[in-house]
Amino acid sequence: DIHMTQSPSSLSASVGDRVTITCRASQSISNFLVWYQQKPGKAPRVLIYGASTLHSGVPSRFSGGGSGTDFTLTITSLQPEDFATYYCQHNYNTPRTFGQGTMVEIK
Amino acid sequence: EVQLVESGGGLVQPGGSLRLSCAASGFTFSRYSMNWVRQAPGKGLEWISYVNGDSSSINYAGSVWGRFTISRDNAKNSLYLQMNSLRAEDTAVYYCARDLLLGSSGLFLDSWGQGTLVTVSS
Repeated sequence: DIHMTQSPSSLSASVGDRVTITCRASQSISNFLVWYQQKPGKAPRVLIYGASTLHSGVPSRFSGGGSGTDFTLTITSLQPEDFATYYCQHNYNTPRTFGQGTMVEIK
Repeated sequence: EVQLVESGGGLVQPGGSLRLSCAASGFTFSRYSMNWVRQAPGKGLEWISYVNGDSSSINYAGSVWGRFTISRDNAKNSLYLQMNSLRAEDTAVYYCARDLLLGSSGLFLDSWGQGTLVTVSS
């Protein structure tokens, strides 16, 4: 199974900050990488797929990068509605494992 | 509008069984692969099972292999998860989620239900 490791597990940031979350795969997954955002009590929603393609309706302050084993999710100017937990997931093969999540909290 | 509505969750004793359902609407159900994803209380997301549109391809996570069975009824626009030999560690919110494929590497879970809570406890 491919193991996905996110870092950090949590972070505190202020509105307007630039935030970067990292996701590392235990083996190469090309660009079969998705980023989701989840708010408490809600289902996740997709932000980025194919490692770097912004899903329809997602604000342009979100961006994704990387390929192979190392990936990033960047929020260029954190907004109040962005405080949430973020997960990466690979879709290279099954099981389609998720990272453990990164909680973005208000400083 | 795409809608996925899970049902069937509840309290069950260890070793017991439960069948979850997911009713789909707003899209041509048979054309999409479907998944079950779960989330234990206060924990992260865990992908647990996949079925393609005609049920010819099915996959499971190791944690549920041999105990859970995914199935679908395209005539009823419904997805199911039969859960047997339940354990305390199966306690979670269970989501059904639709696969969307855009381009050669653009596979992702684009639509999710609201989830149904399964609690395994004596």
